[in-house]
Amino acid sequence: QQPVQSPQAVILREGEDAVINCSSSKALYSVHWYRQKHGEAPVFLMILLKGGEQKGHEKISASFNEKKQQSSLYLTASQLSYSGTYFCGTDYGGSQGNLIFGKGTKLSVKP
Amino acid sequence: GAGVSQSPRYKVAKRGQDVALRCDPISGHVSLFWYQQALGQGPEFLTYFQNEAQLDKSGLPSDRFFAERPEGSVSTLKIQRTQQEDSAVYLCASSLGGTFDTEAFFGQGTRLTVV
Repeated sequence: QQPVQSPQAVILREGEDAVINCSSSKALYSVHWYRQKHGEAPVFLMILLKGGEQKGHEKISASFNEKKQQSSLYLTASQLSYSGTYFCGTDYGGSQGNLIFGKGTKLSVKP
Repeated sequence: GAGVSQSPRYKVAKRGQDVALRCDPISGHVSLFWYQQALGQGPEFLTYFQNEAQLDKSGLPSDRFFAERPEGSVSTLKIQRTQQEDSAVYLCASSLGGTFDTEAFFGQGTRLTVV
């Protein structure tokens, strides 16, 4: 089951905050967040394992709500370099290789 | 090498032609994954290797798709009798560990266009 990401797209001014959500209808083992710029490889941001933990990476952090089967990515004080498409990948624990990605959230940060 | 390397970067194939896409993972990485990414979509899982063993090929769309990693390092994704719907970017990723609790590093992909 493909996770559902929202919103599909967001436009920010530099310095503004954003939240990207990733929801699943099936119990999650872990959630992986990647950012992909146009024509480039997806770049790893962070992994969250079930347990409701929160992780941070500079001004980007994420949470994992096991009860809701949802993860949220928080971008604070956005920078121009944050522009790109953000994907969440969900692992349901059954198959080690089958990380299922959402359709992505396109983030554009304007000066 | 410093990262995951894929070749060729671009490939144009005539419908019905066979193609082979190569992936050089990061040295020492146990796990290797192939994904297919259509324009404007997220990557879709194709297959997964742990060393030379293909542990999951549930995402391969048809028996025209075949992947191998004979010596546990370089991998090749082969598509036989290409069709227009095979046009996409094919991404390869590798990770140090054998499970999905470690970071995966992606290559830049091979953009396949079938005409």
